[in-house]
Amino acid sequence: AQSVSQHNHHVILSEAASLELGCNYSYGGTVNLFWYVQYPGQHLQLLLKYFSGDPLVKGIKGFEAEFIKSKFSFNLRKPSVQWSDTAEYFCAVITYNTDKLIFGTGTRLQVFP
Amino acid sequence: EPEVTQTPSHQVTQMGQEVILRCVPISNHLYFYWYRQILGQKVEFLVSFYNNEISEKSEIFDDQFSVERPDGSNFTLKIRSTKLEDSAMYFCASSAEGRYNSPLHFGNGTRLTVT
Repeated sequence: AQSVSQHNHHVILSEAASLELGCNYSYGGTVNLFWYVQYPGQHLQLLLKYFSGDPLVKGIKGFEAEFIKSKFSFNLRKPSVQWSDTAEYFCAVITYNTDKLIFGTGTRLQVFP
Repeated sequence: EPEVTQTPSHQVTQMGQEVILRCVPISNHLYFYWYRQILGQKVEFLVSFYNNEISEKSEIFDDQFSVERPDGSNFTLKIRSTKLEDSAMYFCASSAEGRYNSPLHFGNGTRLTVT
């Protein structure tokens, strides 16, 4: 069965630090990949997505992610985090023949000023 | 930006009672979904709905669960006889093209507490 792993459960950073959140998935076929963010008290919002083409995708608020097919990875990055980036970040995968978006367990990011 | 709206934000019910969670998807979207997140666990797929019928459901979505689009705007999730383990955050989502082709837009969720 398909699964998504996020290895960092809780990340604490100071403002201006660089961020990388890991995401790996297990599925041998074609996938679409997503990062969603959930700010405190708010709904899940799409941060960025990869469907095809350039494996380096840019999202909102300065985030980017790189799809490395050989490593089954889709890590999220931001060169300089801000206090307002404090949130929970979810990696998710959908495969070609299903409606089911499969989520990772999420990574809680805390950024201190 | 159009949003998916869910009501109520918090629902408390006693075990064995029926609950209906309500959602208004984005108006021009055609695909609708329910997901849930038990505290401390992953967001899990429950069901997808297209063209007035269920297109896919998970093993969680047993006979106690049902979905309905009673009119042109609402999308509801009904749990017939709630159990303690149904306590979770329930997220409604919609998408324009469904399946593989477009991202999901989520609502704020309904926190269901079964006592």
